[in-house]
Amino acid sequence: ETGVTQSPTHLIKTRGQQVTLRCSSQSGHNTVSWYQQALGQGPQFIFQYYREEENGRGNFPPRFSGLQFPNYSSELNVNALELDDSALYLCASSSRQGAFYEQYFGPGTRLTVT
Amino acid sequence: AQSVTQLDSQVPVFEEAPVELRCNYSSSVSVYLFWYVQYPNQGLQLLLKYLSGSTLVKGINGFEAEFNKSQTSFHLRKPSVHISDTAEYFCAVSLLALKAAGNKLTFGGGTRVLVKP
Repeated sequence: ETGVTQSPTHLIKTRGQQVTLRCSSQSGHNTVSWYQQALGQGPQFIFQYYREEENGRGNFPPRFSGLQFPNYSSELNVNALELDDSALYLCASSSRQGAFYEQYFGPGTRLTVT
Repeated sequence: AQSVTQLDSQVPVFEEAPVELRCNYSSSVSVYLFWYVQYPNQGLQLLLKYLSGSTLVKGINGFEAEFNKSQTSFHLRKPSVHISDTAEYFCAVSLLALKAAGNKLTFGGGTRVLVKP
């Protein structure tokens, strides 16, 4: 069983640029959530995708957007990058079966904005 | 809205000594509770979870946690730590009412555990 994978592992961008981060969900999972973890802080929920539609969003501006594909993989896009966007971006996948959906996290993509 | 407070940002502890990491939450509705561990340069790994039933929950690597509804706490404990337990630990909650929305997690700020030989 393949776990959650994310690419790239590290990324350096300049303020104002755009970035796309990718996530492949664990086999059999149909839901993907994205979290931002700033240095020294806990992860914060950005949004979640279920069956290719956004299904819940945290307190992040519209320049943070996403996609989910028919194979349940997902992308996180951030436009007009700001210095404060520097963080570890975590993807988590889950399967909607039963009353509780445990989330399995990938290793993350570390984004540095200069 | 729900929130999670981890009262200790850092906890130094000697090898083979016990450790307790404190977590308090605030929510107007019932929640699921979790502890995750994050090793350097890695993602999050679930240590244990409380969904319902017994308030004492046992997890992986010898960790356990106790849910106290009246004190809105979910403290994590291990009776004897190893060097390999050096990591960052996060407490998190998820609202029962939002289970259909995929159990969005709200995390605390984390507690860094440093195990000394």
